[in-house]
Amino acid sequence: QSALTQPRSVSGSPGQSVTISCTGTSSDVGGYNYVSWYQQHPGKAPKVMIYDVRRRPSGVPDRFSGSKSGNTASLTISGLQAEDEADYYCYSYAGSYTWVFGGGTKLTVL
Amino acid sequence: QVQLVESGGGVVQPGGSLRLSCAASGFIFSSYGMHWVRQAPGKGLEWVAFTLYDGSKKYYVDSVKGRFTISRDNSKNMLFLQMNSLRTEDTAVYYCGGGQWMVDYWGQGTLVTVSS
Repeated sequence: QSALTQPRSVSGSPGQSVTISCTGTSSDVGGYNYVSWYQQHPGKAPKVMIYDVRRRPSGVPDRFSGSKSGNTASLTISGLQAEDEADYYCYSYAGSYTWVFGGGTKLTVL
Repeated sequence: QVQLVESGGGVVQPGGSLRLSCAASGFIFSSYGMHWVRQAPGKGLEWVAFTLYDGSKKYYVDSVKGRFTISRDNSKNMLFLQMNSLRTEDTAVYYCGGGQWMVDYWGQGTLVTVSS
């Protein structure tokens, strides 16, 4: 039950694209297509942005996209906007009805 | 609309107990697996516990096994977390969440502080 590995911070200018990686093992990220991504603004509850690796809930802009290769999942945000500045967490099923989060990435919009 | 409202947080001494509650509305609670997720001050999210839609199975992160118990009452759309033998490292905001392979719905969280 070790946390997934995410970069501590990423940044980009408005209109640019950024990608946040999430590295696990074959027992979690690599073993299942149940990776989701959450956006959390300060003092607020998390909000799901991507689920099942690449699916977007209704209401989430298509600027947000997800992918996975091997043991690493990625969240890409294109056309950065000021309101995208937040913490982002990946979340993966790890088998036997257990789950694990990534350590979180702080996105700064310059 | 979907609502999850946690309650029961507070200040407790190390070794003490606390019971968190989560009231659900706006979705078919009895069809959803339910999670507890916590976030220590200034830290990241940590999955704590999960129960199947009917409460028949319960699963925990290693650090709380034997101390915390997740339960639910589908007749009242309620989720619970009984926390015993609390430690200072259990200090966190505790969120209840609805979903199976992901957390679709989140509550606003309730703060648990373990301190002497």
